[in-house]
Amino acid sequence: SQKIEQNSEALNIQEGKTATLTCNYTNYSPAYLQWYRQDPGRGPVFLLLIRENEKEKRKERLKVTFDTTLKQSLFHITASQPADSATYLCALATWNTGNQFYFGTGTSLTVIP
Amino acid sequence: DTEVTQTPKHLVMGMTNKKSLKCEQHMGHRAMYWYKQKAKKPPELMFVYSYEKLSINESVPSRFSPECPNSSLLNLHLHALQPEDSALYLCASSQEIRTGSQPQHFGDGTRLSIL
Repeated sequence: SQKIEQNSEALNIQEGKTATLTCNYTNYSPAYLQWYRQDPGRGPVFLLLIRENEKEKRKERLKVTFDTTLKQSLFHITASQPADSATYLCALATWNTGNQFYFGTGTSLTVIP
Repeated sequence: DTEVTQTPKHLVMGMTNKKSLKCEQHMGHRAMYWYKQKAKKPPELMFVYSYEKLSINESVPSRFSPECPNSSLLNLHLHALQPEDSALYLCASSQEIRTGSQPQHFGDGTRLSIL
């Protein structure tokens, strides 16, 4: 069966440290992988997109890597701040599904001051 | 503020009621989506509209009926819902659905409770 799993449901880190979130998938051949942030009671907000032929993408304090051999994407937040506390979702799209995305299970990140 | 507006924000209805959820975007996007999200779970795709035509229906029960009156509006008509349909219903839009290279813009959802 197809699965998209994100590491531990909840992740706590100290302010200023780097948070690393993992997205693992099985039985997909994703063409694109996106990361979203979701705050309680709000809709997801797009953060970054990476294509299958890209190894790494950066945006300010955010970095995404994509390893199609390991079937894994890592999402890093450097110099984390309490305002980064939220649920982070990865989402895959394949060449067959176009912009139809399958979301991962999500990781709830808490940055402790 | 999000660029996708959903109304109402909260809705409580009985199992015999008929109600509608509304979604509006003015970004010129031609793809619009309905998702259902239960607590502490990821969004699950329900329907996709592309150029105002239903493109994908993820085997959703017929008590949910989508409608796309024009390129800016998306409705979800509800009838005879069950308690397990209580969830956050999210609307999203993107430029098109041809590729997965476009971000989806989400509204803040309608919190639906079925009594």
